[in-house]
Amino acid sequence: QKEVEQNSGPLSVPEGAIASLNCTYSDRGSQSFFWYRQYSGKSPELIMFIYSNGDKEDGRFTAQLNKASQYVSLLIRDSQPSDSATYLCAVNIAGGGNKLTFGTGTQLKVEL
Amino acid sequence: DAGVIQSPRHEVTEMGQEVTLRCKPISGHDYLFWYRQTMMRGLELLIYFNNNVPIDDSGMPEDRFSAKMPNASFSTLKIQPSEPRDSAVYFCASSTGTEGGYTFGSGTRLTVV
Repeated sequence: QKEVEQNSGPLSVPEGAIASLNCTYSDRGSQSFFWYRQYSGKSPELIMFIYSNGDKEDGRFTAQLNKASQYVSLLIRDSQPSDSATYLCAVNIAGGGNKLTFGTGTQLKVEL
Repeated sequence: DAGVIQSPRHEVTEMGQEVTLRCKPISGHDYLFWYRQTMMRGLELLIYFNNNVPIDDSGMPEDRFSAKMPNASFSTLKIQPSEPRDSAVYFCASSTGTEGGYTFGSGTRLTVV
């Protein structure tokens, strides 16, 4: 079992819809969770991080964390074509020091 | 701040040659990470440093890979000898810890022919 798993997609949503991206992790002791966006040919850029169970909102983005079920999700409201990218989930695995373990990413396509 | 600076942006080399990738972290960041990204395996951590000291090099594939951080503003990743399977994008990232996540450099696209 991979430590951090994501559906590779592509996930296609129409412009203006809500995109829902999911990530599961294997280590129950994981403490912190991050979402990065990566455009094709570019480097990952941090969108959000979340540490506590529940929701965290930042503009059109909402991160959701459920430690009991070991999943974290990212919702993008009012999706725009400019949101089309690969979204990477990253987890600070317990006992892993300060390193982040990344999922392989979900490709999102927002269609006009 | 100019962000994390990596050089070169692209490197094409022949199998067997030595390759050196360079990274300048953000000033004040005391953690530096080297990742490799491929389509098949995604982002893999190779090694990371804290205050210029290597903390975890368990991701370094084999003895052909080595990394150094002689001071707080410079790190190198060296591959000697290079092989075609080393072809990937190599990212350097820096941070002040995991609380705020990492800032990535633009990456070095390495092609070994």
